[in-house]
Amino acid sequence: EAGVAQSPRYKIIEKRQSVAFWCNPISGHATLYWYQQILGQGPKLLIQFQNNGVVDDSQLPKDRFSAERLKGVDSTLKIQPAKLEDSAVYLCASSPTGTGSPLHFGNGTRLTVT
Amino acid sequence: QKEVEQNSGPLSVPEGAIASLNCTYSDRGSQSFFWYRQYSGKSPELIMFIYSNGDKEDGRFTAQLNKASQYVSLLIRDSQPSDSATYLCAVNDQAGTALIFGKGTTLSVSS
Repeated sequence: EAGVAQSPRYKIIEKRQSVAFWCNPISGHATLYWYQQILGQGPKLLIQFQNNGVVDDSQLPKDRFSAERLKGVDSTLKIQPAKLEDSAVYLCASSPTGTGSPLHFGNGTRLTVT
Repeated sequence: QKEVEQNSGPLSVPEGAIASLNCTYSDRGSQSFFWYRQYSGKSPELIMFIYSNGDKEDGRFTAQLNKASQYVSLLIRDSQPSDSATYLCAVNDQAGTALIFGKGTTLSVSS
């Protein structure tokens, strides 16, 4: 089966600019996650979708981050305006269900904010 | 605040030795436990998952879970240089929310 697809792989922007990331989960996976991984740390959940509904966005900085999953398939994560501390790898993952299932990760997008 | 704690390492072992990686978690209601391996510059890949107390073996890997002590470990037998990576422990609570990850333990296997 095809894995989780993410684009772009790398992005460099200046602070205060905006950026968007795209993710297409494994076919049939109802649950989609966006994680942020800062260098030297473990992934931190930003938002979890079940189909096209939000399950958990408690750690999403909503003043600058937004995410959507239209039609319950692919998803976009946007940052506007970006800050230096947003430099990280943004990982998209999917699972068949949200309960106890392993997550399958995409290759991630490495964001550098200068 | 639910937490997953790991010793960041680095843990250094010689080739052929057993590597032991440990993880503790704060939420006593946690139900599912996962070990992911992450090579530098790559995304995490699933190694093992365990749901019940005791041991679970898969090839050279053994996951051990002790819910009473809120402790989960990963043993890697006959360690190889290709096992050198960061190992992430992740926990899923009973509400079925997303995985909570530890910071990871860096393992270095020398030949």
